[in-house]
Amino acid sequence: GAGVSQSPSNKVTEKGKDVELRCDPISGHTALYWYRQSLGQGLEFLIYFQGNSAPDKSGLPSDRFSAERTGGSVSTLTIQRTQQEDSAVYLCASSFSSGYRTDTQYFGPGTRLTVL
Amino acid sequence: AQSVTQPDIHITVSEGASLELRCNYSYGATPYLFWYVQSPGQGLQLLLKYFSGDTLVQGIKGFEAEFKRSQSSFNLRKPSVHWSDAAEYFCAVIGSQKLVFGQGTRLTINP
Repeated sequence: GAGVSQSPSNKVTEKGKDVELRCDPISGHTALYWYRQSLGQGLEFLIYFQGNSAPDKSGLPSDRFSAERTGGSVSTLTIQRTQQEDSAVYLCASSFSSGYRTDTQYFGPGTRLTVL
Repeated sequence: AQSVTQPDIHITVSEGASLELRCNYSYGATPYLFWYVQSPGQGLQLLLKYFSGDTLVQGIKGFEAEFKRSQSSFNLRKPSVHWSDAAEYFCAVIGSQKLVFGQGTRLTINP
């Protein structure tokens, strides 16, 4: 596609429910990243994928958070038993390859998650 | 560990005035530095990046940034701002494949 797409754009859920956020990277990009943007913490790295494997999950805040990527393309970030502190904008980015630090990461518009 | 500091949380300038947004980084090796802009409700758009070579880099929308190793700085500048430049600006350094961002500077433009 022309850019990174994310769905849904907005998600409102109740505390304790599970949510799934989807990211569709730019076609041909092998690396995919998830970041979280919240008022208190700013922009934080969550996880990145090279192909279907995730060499770095160090940013996932708890074991309620998980992510997968299938077919080297679409990725899903799942948050189980959501808490109010999970409310944030979740941003996805992709790059041609994560083998080089110089590769530009292109960001999607984000999913705004609100946990009531 | 790498880190980025943007000292100014909010800046207001008049349309047509010059702009400088400050960014200081901490990184043990050669830093790869980026400036991104985020308009309300939008994702992040890359303005410019520095990897090596000429320390003055040109970006999109008339922005430029200067890398100063001695000051650990990578300040963003624009000679004359437009109302459409109102947005939030993020400086970032890349560590091991992940971007580390500053807290951002929100830019307001007075007509």
